[in-house]
Amino acid sequence: QLQLRESGPGLVKPLETLSLTCSVSGDFFRDTSYNWGWIRQPPGKGLEWIGTVTYSGITYYGPSLKSRVTISVDSSKNHFSLKLTSVTAADTAIYYCARQGYNGYANWFDPWGQGTPVTVSS
Amino acid sequence: DIQMTQSPSSLSASVGDRVTISCRASQSISKFLNWYQQKPGKAPNLLISTTSILQGGVPSRFSGSGSGTYFTLTISSLQPEDFASYYCQQTYSSLLTFGGGTKVHIK
Repeated sequence: QLQLRESGPGLVKPLETLSLTCSVSGDFFRDTSYNWGWIRQPPGKGLEWIGTVTYSGITYYGPSLKSRVTISVDSSKNHFSLKLTSVTAADTAIYYCARQGYNGYANWFDPWGQGTPVTVSS
Repeated sequence: DIQMTQSPSSLSASVGDRVTISCRASQSISKFLNWYQQKPGKAPNLLISTTSILQGGVPSRFSGSGSGTYFTLTISSLQPEDFASYYCQQTYSSLLTFGGGTKVHIK
C-alpha cells in the first residue's frame, strides 16, 4: 500500500528557505501515470495547492507562490522535494504531500501524507 | 485562476439529517470537481472524484452531483463519523484550486 511521509524542519526563521521532502514507499514512485503534489493548510484555514511535479520533473506551480517555490523529484531516492524561499509568518502551515492520480482526463489527490507542521519564527 | 466558493462555510446538523454542501466555480469546469473530507488533526481524504465517482470504502450515503459551475455534495443521513470539514477542488485547470471548506458541526 502506498505511503507518503513528509520530513523537514518544523521551525524556519523569517526570510530563510523552507525545505521539505516527501518519501514515497515501494515502487509506486516509478509509475509514470502519477504526478506528485504539495498542498498546505495554515492554522485554522483551508487548503492551498502549492504545486505538482511529474515523474520526469515537469512542474506546475500555484500563482501565489510561484516566484518562491521549487519542486523537484529524485526518482533514485523515491522522493520529491519542496523549497520555499524568503518565508514569512504567512507561510506557517501544515504542509502535505500527496500523489496526484490521473485517468486520462481527470485527476485527484490520493493518498496524502500525514502532514508536517512548519512554523516561521525567529 | 479559477475561484471555488463553498457554502455554507459551516453548518450544524443532527445525526440522521440530510446535508447538502455547495461548491461554485468562477467559470465552467465541466465535471472536473473532487470532494475531500478532513477530520481534526488528520490529512484530507478523497471522497468523490470527477463530480460523482465515490471512492472505494466511502459509504453510499455520500453522493456528488453537478456540472459546469455548480456542484453539490450530499450526505443522505448524517452519521457521527461524518462530522468533519469538507473541501471541493477543481482540476479543470492545471492550476488547481480548492474551495474554502465547509465545517459540519454537531447540533
